[in-house]
Amino acid sequence: AQKITQTQPGMFVQEKEAVTLDCTYDTSDPSYGLFWYKQPSSGEMIFLIYQGSYDQQNATEGRYSLNFQKARKSANLVISASQLGDSAMYFCAMRTSYDKVIFGPGTSLSVIP
Amino acid sequence: NAGVTQTPKFRVLKTGQSMTLLCAQDMNHEYMYWYRQDPGMGLRLIHYSVGEGTTAKGEVPDGYNVSRLKKQNFLLGLESAAPSQTSVYFCASSQTDFYEQYFGPGTRLTVT
Repeated sequence: AQKITQTQPGMFVQEKEAVTLDCTYDTSDPSYGLFWYKQPSSGEMIFLIYQGSYDQQNATEGRYSLNFQKARKSANLVISASQLGDSAMYFCAMRTSYDKVIFGPGTSLSVIP
Repeated sequence: NAGVTQTPKFRVLKTGQSMTLLCAQDMNHEYMYWYRQDPGMGLRLIHYSVGEGTTAKGEVPDGYNVSRLKKQNFLLGLESAAPSQTSVYFCASSQTDFYEQYFGPGTRLTVT
């Protein structure tokens, strides 16, 4: 069965420091995509970054990068130079050929001034 | 360009009442989705549609029905609301399955 695991319910990071949010996934489908979404306290879901299973390079989008380790089935989100506005819930999600997108339980990130 | 909009934003229902949530997108996306989000959990897929006139069940479809009569609209219906359906409901759309999803602002539903 397809599954997404986020083992960090809550994380703290000092402003301007980098932080890594963990995500591991389980699928037998060789073709899949991995997504990260941000949900601020206002409630909307914001797409951050995408990694395809066949992509050779790790995805990057501004301060966001995805540390994709296919053999370990991990897709960790790295946020560089944290800002106060980065405080939010972060969800890892996966899309395979078998299923629509499934989401992990999320990690709450708090940025400390 | 409004993106994805949801109506209403808040609703309180009594057990057994019915209601319809409306989702509209103006991005000409083929795929549309309905999710529910409960405290401490990620989003769970209720139903989805891969095009006008098509619908399919997701992970938690029981107690809900959907319709996609027009490409831009995706309706979620609760025929007989139950307290277990108290949740925040999100609609989303995407160009295809492997593209990112664009989410609406959510509907907070309380069933008493």
